[in-house]
Amino acid sequence: GQNIDQPTEMTATEGAIVQINCTYQTSGFNGLFWYQQHAGEAPTFLSYNVLDGLEEKGRFSSFLSRSKGYSYLLLKELQMKDSASYLCAVRDSNYQLIWGAGTKLIIKP
Amino acid sequence: SAVISQKPSRDICQRGTSLTIQCQVDSQVTMMFWYRQQPGQSLTLIATANQGSEATYESGFVIDKFPISRPNLTFSTLTVSNMSPEDSSIYLCSVEQGAASGANVLTFGAGSRLTVL
Repeated sequence: GQNIDQPTEMTATEGAIVQINCTYQTSGFNGLFWYQQHAGEAPTFLSYNVLDGLEEKGRFSSFLSRSKGYSYLLLKELQMKDSASYLCAVRDSNYQLIWGAGTKLIIKP
Repeated sequence: SAVISQKPSRDICQRGTSLTIQCQVDSQVTMMFWYRQQPGQSLTLIATANQGSEATYESGFVIDKFPISRPNLTFSTLTVSNMSPEDSSIYLCSVEQGAASGANVLTFGAGSRLTVL
């Protein structure tokens, strides 16, 4: 079966750095997405990786290793507004999106 | 990116009743997607709504329970029929658009939070 694993919850301190990991087992691979979802709101797109390596976008970076079935989202200079759930999703060989359950990130002052 | 208006934002419903969720997009799109998000769980695709044809349902979801309409390229409805407490969830409408990264990215409506008593 197809599966996306990510930690259920993480806690970090304002101003610090946090890395949220995502491992996947899917039938084929056509890209990996990270979305941010604040409580009670819709998910919003953060990043996309289809080739191995690091994609940097401001305070957020996303890394992909296709051979390891692994990605991480790196958040730097954490702000209180970064408290949210972070969803990892992989597009498989049939172009279907497989979603992880999300990682709830709690930022403490 | 597209702007999606979804309503109702939340509702409390009685067991056995049906509720229709509306989704309006500010641009024409070929496909609209309906998702369910239960607490602490993944987003689960219910169906893909295509204008001019029957919706395509994912495994575990059937038209009798979740009838979908798609009368034009900017609007769709999802009905949750004969509701039970197990249908309590957030229902999300979404569309797919190309992004600068080359990916087809989903944009979501704000969601409809249903509680079935």
